[in-house]
Amino acid sequence: DQQVKQNSPSLSVQEGRISILNCDYTNSMFDYFLWYKKYPAEGPTFLISISSIKDKNEDGRFTVFLNKSAKHLSLHIVPSQPGDSAVYFCAATLGGAQKLVFGQGTRLTINP
Amino acid sequence: KAGVTQTPRYLIKTRGQQVTLSCSPISGHRSVSWYQQTPGQGLQFLFEYFSETQRNKGNFPGRFSGRQFSNSRSEMNVSTLELGDSALYLCASTWDRTLYNEQFFGPGTRLTVL
Repeated sequence: DQQVKQNSPSLSVQEGRISILNCDYTNSMFDYFLWYKKYPAEGPTFLISISSIKDKNEDGRFTVFLNKSAKHLSLHIVPSQPGDSAVYFCAATLGGAQKLVFGQGTRLTINP
Repeated sequence: KAGVTQTPRYLIKTRGQQVTLSCSPISGHRSVSWYQQTPGQGLQFLFEYFSETQRNKGNFPGRFSGRQFSNSRSEMNVSTLELGDSALYLCASTWDRTLYNEQFFGPGTRLTVL
């Protein structure tokens, strides 16, 4: 039962353009969503998060959008940089629990 | 401030053996969570400890267990290892069960079961 899904295993974007990573969830009880970035041989690094009471959160080049009716969230990276090449995971949780439910990840490659 | 540390970084075991992995959280962090990452199943939650008590548990068999010490350091143990236990085991820490503190992950322990 995959409650959080990232349907695109990989994404290739040209440097300077916008990267859009998508994530869908099935559990309407989730009330907090997070994006993590992971480089090989390292643990995931927190990027940005959003509460279910909001529909947008921005932090520098990163913006997360939440569409609760569609149970969909997306991460926008503008402009994309070579250092953004990594695997991106979306995660969800509920009730303040530290139990994160992760998607399968999307490998983002930024081409020069 | 030092990050989350995990030891060992790499481990090779054979089927039937048991293994213990260690995690030292960031100083001041009281919650420690463990995750398993495999190519097929992705990142899956194992359990979370807070103040030496297991507070949340994922859907893993009883062969997977953990504990937390008074200094918040945590260990996880896998008994009777199976080939399918080969994975990257990640530990994450955070301050407390206040609202949605981000979890800080360690680099992981790569376990290979032969």
